[in-house]
Amino acid sequence: DIQMTQSPSSLSASVGDRVTITCRASQGIRNDLGWYQQKPGKAPKRLIYAASILQSGVPSRFSGSGSGTEFTLTLSSLQPEDFATYYCLQHNSYPRTFGQGTKVEIK
Amino acid sequence: EVQLVESGGGLVQPGGSLRLSCAASGFTFNNYEMNWVRQAPGEGLEWVSYISSSGSTIYYADSVKGRFTISRDNAKNSLYLQMNSLRAEDTAVYYCARDPSLYVWGKGTTVTVSS
Repeated sequence: DIQMTQSPSSLSASVGDRVTITCRASQGIRNDLGWYQQKPGKAPKRLIYAASILQSGVPSRFSGSGSGTEFTLTLSSLQPEDFATYYCLQHNSYPRTFGQGTKVEIK
Repeated sequence: EVQLVESGGGLVQPGGSLRLSCAASGFTFNNYEMNWVRQAPGEGLEWVSYISSSGSTIYYADSVKGRFTISRDNAKNSLYLQMNSLRAEDTAVYYCARDPSLYVWGKGTTVTVSS
């Protein structure tokens, strides 16, 4: 099974800050990775697919990069509505696996 | 509007069974692969199962293999998860999610396994 190691598990940041979240795969997954945002009591929402393609309707302050085993989600300027938990997901092989999640909190 | 609506959750005793349903609308259901994903209280997301558009290919997480069965009825635009031999650790919100790569999600249905 492919393990996805996501870091950090949580972070505190201020509005306007640049935030970076990383996922590392235990083996190469090409660009078969998505990033998801989840707010409390809500279903996850896909932000990025194919590692770097922004989902339609998602603000351009979100960006993704990486290929193979190292992937990054960047929020260029954190906004109040971005405080949430973020997950990566590999869909290169089964079982599909999520990262452990990163909770982005207000400093 | 593309929509997935889960139902069938509830309180069940350990060892019991439950069948979840997911009603799809707003898209051609039989063109898409589907998944179940769950989230235990206060925990992260866990992929549970996948089924191809025709139903011919199925995968499960090791944690549910042999106990859960995924199926679909394309004529009814519906996805199902039959859950048997339920354990306390199966307590979670269960989401159905459409591929590619879990693009569309339902709002979830809550399953509680407790005596």
